[in-house]
Amino acid sequence: SQQGEEDPQALSIQEGENATMNCSYKTSINNLQWYRQNSGRGLVHLILIRSNEREKHSGRLRVTLDTSKKSSSLLITASRAADTASYFCATKALAGSARQLTFGSGTQLTVLP
Amino acid sequence: GAVVSQHPSWVICKSGTSVKIECRSLDFQATTMFWYRQFPKQSLMLMATSNEGSKATYEQGVEKDKFLINHASLTLSTLTVTSAHPEDSSFYICSAPRGGASNQPQHFGDGTRLSIL
Repeated sequence: SQQGEEDPQALSIQEGENATMNCSYKTSINNLQWYRQNSGRGLVHLILIRSNEREKHSGRLRVTLDTSKKSSSLLITASRAADTASYFCATKALAGSARQLTFGSGTQLTVLP
Repeated sequence: GAVVSQHPSWVICKSGTSVKIECRSLDFQATTMFWYRQFPKQSLMLMATSNEGSKATYEQGVEKDKFLINHASLTLSTLTVTSAHPEDSSFYICSAPRGGASNQPQHFGDGTRLSIL
């Protein structure tokens, strides 16, 4: 079953603007990961943040994690039309299956040129 | 380049046909692979965990006799949709974690779009 929710479900912005997506989850986690999916394709890993980390950067991506609120956010700065895709957060539980991920509901991002 | 290869990428077949989907790890060994199903505009739902050399672990509600999984080698897992019907039409994606550490991302195949007529 799905771990949690992402919001917004859909986001449409102009090129150059920043995009922020939020993810909430329900159980204690080992880490949280963000993935990107272009339409009809597989998922591409973007960034992984461990439960003892609060913020992580990778290029134009910034991820935050608040374990007290069981939430994470993904910020894409200076967005480009090529950033148009679906973005999913996924959590690896602290207990249970060692490598299983549980995915959020996803945010469909559209960046208009 | 891709580290997990999934084949075929697209299948159209008649109702009642069995369809085999392959998932290969290209430059690493994967003792565990995961199979997901994704409906349009929805998230990935884990179907089963494929374990090399042992039986797959299926998620609740997934029929093991319907979705046969074989993980006969450290680089190949197959999912066979037996006697497929239109309701089995979906996007199927496999993934594999590289390495044994828990803080490793998963590598995904490009998915297989299955359309049953």
